Amino acid sequence: GAGVSQSPSNKVTEKGKDVELRCDPISGHTALYWYRQRLGQGLEFLIYFQGNSAPDKSGLPSDRFSAERTGGSVSTLTIQRTQQEDSAVYLCASSAGSPGPEQYFGPGTRLTVT
Amino acid sequence: GQSLEQPSEVTAVEGAIVQINCTYQTSGFYGLSWYQQHDGGAPTFLSYNALDGLEETGRFSSFLSRSDSYGYLLLQELQMKDSASYFCAVRLGDKIIFGKGTRLHILP
Repeated sequence: GAGVSQSPSNKVTEKGKDVELRCDPISGHTALYWYRQRLGQGLEFLIYFQGNSAPDKSGLPSDRFSAERTGGSVSTLTIQRTQQEDSAVYLCASSAGSPGPEQYFGPGTRLTVT
Repeated sequence: GQSLEQPSEVTAVEGAIVQINCTYQTSGFYGLSWYQQHDGGAPTFLSYNALDGLEETGRFSSFLSRSDSYGYLLLQELQMKDSASYFCAVRLGDKIIFGKGTRLHILP
């Protein structure tokens, strides 16, 4: 079946603009995660959704970051008033369990803030 | 606080065996996962240990010692395609926390 998909694959934006990143998890997966990966670095946890429960937002780096998940499926990560330090690859993952140790990752969105 | 330590780089020869270690300091530990990431690619799941001992999946094995807060990934019969970054990840309740990754270089 289809894997996790993310859009756009690349996004270049000017400092101060808002961006919206989209994630389509694997059908039937109840858990969804967002991570940030800076060049040559590990994965930084941002937010976790489990079904229709309130998300764990403890990893969001500032109040400029927000995320929602509609209908327990598609998720969007929004970054307001982007800064250059927001430049990174944003990865989305989903898993069948709660939380599943086996996560399936999307290809990521490479965000460049100029 | 919570931390995972793994070597930043490891070099091995094609056909050989290599071990990548991971130590962790966390509160509320559920299990240890390993992921592989090729340059420009997304991480892919390799293995998960919830209990002490060795898990084997083909050429890859993973070990966990909860009492020592330590685990490792063992790669056998190394192939050039194994050149990648390898991340250990700890499950803490509802979160998965990743280490900074180990870059594996394979020499022909």
